[in-house]
Amino acid sequence: DAGVTQTPRHEVAEKGQTIILKCEPVSGHNDLFWYRQTKIQGLELLSYFRSKSLMEDGGAFKDRFKAEMLNSSFSTLKIQPTEPKDSAVYLCASRRQGSSYEQYFGPGTRLTVL
Amino acid sequence: QQKVQQSPESLTVSEGAMASLNCTFSDGTSNNFRWYRQHSAKGLEVLVSIFSDGEKEEGRFTAHLNRANLHVSLHIREPQPSDSAVYLCAVNQGGSAKLIFGEGTKLTVSS
Repeated sequence: DAGVTQTPRHEVAEKGQTIILKCEPVSGHNDLFWYRQTKIQGLELLSYFRSKSLMEDGGAFKDRFKAEMLNSSFSTLKIQPTEPKDSAVYLCASRRQGSSYEQYFGPGTRLTVL
Repeated sequence: QQKVQQSPESLTVSEGAMASLNCTFSDGTSNNFRWYRQHSAKGLEVLVSIFSDGEKEEGRFTAHLNRANLHVSLHIREPQPSDSAVYLCAVNQGGSAKLIFGEGTKLTVSS
């Protein structure tokens, strides 16, 4: 099975731009997660989907961050408008339905906002 | 809100010596504990998952969980230079699917 795929691997944006990050989960996985990783805050959950339904979103990220699951094999994370403090690595993970299963992580997208 | 803390922040061991990493958590109702490894510029790789008190071994990696002490540890037997990475502890928030991650321990294995 292919692992979790994320594109692009690197993104550079000007402040105020809109950027869209993409994720393809492992085939057959029903749960999908978006995380942000920074040196200071570590890994923070942005959104959690189960069978395409949004189950949880990180409260602090609601205003400019929007994750969508368009179908069971594709998800996007839109940041609009971007700010320099959004510079981080954005990780997508998927798992079979249920918390006893492992989350499999993609390689991440490194975002730099100038 | 679950708090997860890891120690030490960084650790250097010689190849072949045991490496021990620690993780404490605040929510005693948690029942889902995982150790991940992250090599630079790569995604996270799960090493061991443990759900009840005691020990769980996966190859050279052994996790010990003591929920009464709010503590879970990872021991790496015969570490190799290729094990040099950041190790992350993740604990679920009680009653939820949400995983809370520690800040990581940077392990360096010298040959």
